[in-house]
Amino acid sequence: DTGVSQNPRHKITKRGQNVTFRCDPISEHNRLYWYRQTLGQGPEFLTYFQNEAQLEKSRLLSDRFSAERPKGSFSTLEIQRTEQGDSAMYLCASSLPDQTYMNTEAFFGQGTRLTVV
Amino acid sequence: QKEVEQNSGPLSVPEGAIASLNCTYSDRGSQSFFWYRQYSGKSPELIMFIYSNGDKEDGRFTAQLNKASQYVSLLIRDSQPSDSATYLCAVSWNNDMRFGAGTRLTVKP
Repeated sequence: DTGVSQNPRHKITKRGQNVTFRCDPISEHNRLYWYRQTLGQGPEFLTYFQNEAQLEKSRLLSDRFSAERPKGSFSTLEIQRTEQGDSAMYLCASSLPDQTYMNTEAFFGQGTRLTVV
Repeated sequence: QKEVEQNSGPLSVPEGAIASLNCTYSDRGSQSFFWYRQYSGKSPELIMFIYSNGDKEDGRFTAQLNKASQYVSLLIRDSQPSDSATYLCAVSWNNDMRFGAGTRLTVKP
């Protein structure tokens, strides 16, 4: 296991189409995060899973965005009816279980760059 | 609202100098603090994490945390051109993690 894997690396889609991204976390990492990053900005939190449970979802996230993590392993992020403003890098990160009420560091995948034309 | 604030820079230092990067956060319940480095077009990579007040050193990097002031910093000693990147501060609240906008650092030879 070499790290967090994201697919595809790049996606170009027409406005109004649906897209789905996949993230495979580091094995034994039970936490999985999705972030969105645009040029010159830090990663913006989208949602977070602990095992298969989606524990938090950003209030900034529209209903067009949905994420799943069936069986607590890989995760998918789907964007319905894409808009040009959805163009960004979508980053996935995973981390180990929290043993002492303190978070452990998150490791990032290479991201999926979405371009909506 | 959970907020993490960083000066966007750019911060420019000469090679061999000390670069100082700062970060403030809004939630006093924050538990863990991280510094990530991100090269252009790449994903963030972890440099250091710190949980307790005080300093933590790792090679040329020192993280400093002051929970009373809600402030965390990163010092890079003997800065090298290869340190030129965007540095992201991340703060964790109850198992989620939020990032600042990042500070762009340029180390000039």
